[in-house]
Amino acid sequence: AQSVTQLDSQVPVFEEAPVELRCNYSSSVSVYLFWYVQYPNQGLQLLLKYLSGSTLVKGINGFEAEFNKSQTSFHLRKPSVHISDTAEYFCAVTLDSGSRLTFGEGTQLTVNP
Amino acid sequence: DTAVSQTPKYLVTQMGNDKSIKCEQNLGHDTMYWYKQDSKKFLKIMFSYNNKELIINETVPNRFSPKSPDKAHLNLHINSLELGDSAVYFCASSRIGGGGNYGYTFGSGTRLTVV
Repeated sequence: AQSVTQLDSQVPVFEEAPVELRCNYSSSVSVYLFWYVQYPNQGLQLLLKYLSGSTLVKGINGFEAEFNKSQTSFHLRKPSVHISDTAEYFCAVTLDSGSRLTFGEGTQLTVNP
Repeated sequence: DTAVSQTPKYLVTQMGNDKSIKCEQNLGHDTMYWYKQDSKKFLKIMFSYNNKELIINETVPNRFSPKSPDKAHLNLHINSLELGDSAVYFCASSRIGGGGNYGYTFGSGTRLTVV
């Protein structure tokens, strides 16, 4: 079975600073990887996904993530964050032949002025 | 046009009551899911239906019963509600086998509070 570990439960940063949210996964087969964002009291919005091909994936709102198969990681990055990026971020994985989406425990990103 | 819609958005009810949450998707997906988000924001799958057939049934109390009248709808009925059932419940849909290609779309959630 697949699993996901988000290495930081909380990440505080200042506005306009770069940020990296770390995600490691565990699976014995090929996987699809996702990052979702949840703003306060809202649902889940897809930021980006890795299916195959280029290991650098660009998403919405200036976020990008890099798939590293040897390190089984899929870290999310943004070069300059805004106050409005304050939210909970979830890394998730599913098998290429399955339908179960397994989530990490989430990382609370707080952007301070 | 809401892709995955859930009703109600908020639900406050007393212990012991029976309640239902409805979910509908207009994306033409063939698989629908219920996820539970607890107070620590951890998301865990509860059920999954593909073309009205149950394909995932996690360790969930029997008081929870999903029903899929057609592949565009997946409702969640909860009997004898308990305090521990308080959570946010998310409905989602995808296209099975292409779940990675087509992605998963989530509803906006139903916040259930049992008092």
